[in-house]
Amino acid sequence: DAKTTQPTSMDCAEGRAANLPCNHSTISGNEYVYWYRQIHSQGPQYIIHGLKNNETNEMASLIITEDRKSSTLILPHATLRDTAVYYCIVRPKNYGGSQGNLIFGKGTKLSVKP
Amino acid sequence: EAQVTQNPRYLITVTGKKLTVTCSQNMNHEYMSWYRQDPGLGLRQIYYSMNVEVTDKGDVPEGYKVSRKEKRNFPLILESPSPNQTSLYFCASSSSGRISDTQYFGPGTRLTVL
Repeated sequence: DAKTTQPTSMDCAEGRAANLPCNHSTISGNEYVYWYRQIHSQGPQYIIHGLKNNETNEMASLIITEDRKSSTLILPHATLRDTAVYYCIVRPKNYGGSQGNLIFGKGTKLSVKP
Repeated sequence: EAQVTQNPRYLITVTGKKLTVTCSQNMNHEYMSWYRQDPGLGLRQIYYSMNVEVTDKGDVPEGYKVSRKEKRNFPLILESPSPNQTSLYFCASSSSGRISDTQYFGPGTRLTVL
C-alpha cells in the first residue's frame, strides 16, 4: 500500500506557482520523501527528494514540515508542459532489494491552464 | 545520452504465445527492475535485479520471468501470456547502494494480450 495521501487533482494557471501537498503521517525516521511525475503514458520522471530539510533543484522545491508528516512540492512557474500526474513516495533510506521498490499511489493530476 | 530503452513499444499478441520485452540501459547501473501500470492500481513491481545473475521477485511476479546475464540488459519474459497481463510495462534502472539513488524509467511498452 502507498504510505502517502494526495489530492486527486489540482488546477494551476500558467506562470503561477503550483503547490502540491502530500500527507505521509506514518513516515519513519529512515524514510525519504520522493516526488516523481508522469506525463500521459510516458515513463515516470524523477523530480526531487528529501529527508527533513527543504530541498531545491532546477525543477522544483520540496518543503517538508518539521514533524515530517507532510510535504509540499512547489513548481515555481508552472508551464503547460508541467501537466502530469505527480506522485509523492516514501522510500527507505537503506535502498536495496525489495526496499528499493517505488510504491506509486494514485498521485495528483495537475492541470496547468493557459 | 543516458537512457533506458525498451522494445517493442507496442505489442498485440494472443494468449499463450511466448514473448520477450527487452530493456537496456547505458548508465552502467547495477539495479534494474520491471513494473506494470494498470488503471487505478499505480505502478507495481514485477521483478528486480541487484546485479548480474542476481534477480528477485517484486510484488506481482506470477506469469513473468527475467534474466540478467549482462549488466546493461534485463529482459522480461512472458512464457504463456494471458489477457490479465495486458498492461503498460516500464523498465527502470538505478545505481545501487547510494542514498541519493533515483530510478530512471524507460518509455514504456504497451502490451495487449487477446
